[in-house]
Amino acid sequence: DVKVTQSSRYLVKRTGEKVFLECVQDMDHENMFWYRQDPGLGLRLIYFSYDVKMKEKGDIPEGYSVSREKKERFSLILESASTNQTSMYLCASTPIQGAGELFFGEGSRLTVL
Amino acid sequence: ELKVEQNPLFLSMQEGKNYTIYCNYSTTSDRLYWYRQDPGKSLESLFVLLSNGAVKQEGRLMASLDTKARLSTLHITAAVHDLSATYFCAVDYNNNDMRFGAGTRLTVKP
Repeated sequence: DVKVTQSSRYLVKRTGEKVFLECVQDMDHENMFWYRQDPGLGLRLIYFSYDVKMKEKGDIPEGYSVSREKKERFSLILESASTNQTSMYLCASTPIQGAGELFFGEGSRLTVL
Repeated sequence: ELKVEQNPLFLSMQEGKNYTIYCNYSTTSDRLYWYRQDPGKSLESLFVLLSNGAVKQEGRLMASLDTKARLSTLHITAAVHDLSATYFCAVDYNNNDMRFGAGTRLTVKP
């Protein structure tokens, strides 16, 4: 089974802190994604990556950056956390050759005080 | 810009009843996905629909895709409590750009 692991299930940070959310997948998938999930808004794409060191902006990249130094790892960075970034963050991956369905991690619930 | 609209957003139904969740999208695509999310959990893939007229069934759930109408349906037959969850449709727009609907929170009551 594909396993997508997010390093932290729950985080509480203060406004202005730098936040790292880590995601690792073990199935050699080329594509990796970061979404945030908010009630009533569904999932919104922050960034995605289709290869090492490659990244593309999604719908809501402002206030976020990403890093993909290794194929299996995709990190989301909040340079200076703000309260409006309190949310559930979901990492996902999918292979290039496939039906396109996403495999999700368990999610990281971030609270910014 | 691709918009994906699900309705209803909230659905409360009795066990044993049938119902349909609708997913409309605004731009041409022939790849549509349904996911299920249980409270406090992540999303898991239910159905992958990759062509016009595609129909997939798993247990009491059946999904279909009409790419000409830009519509997918998720039909629930004889609902049971275990189906209570939030269901999302997602449309693959421009390869790797997956857009999600807002989700339908389904509650099945005895």
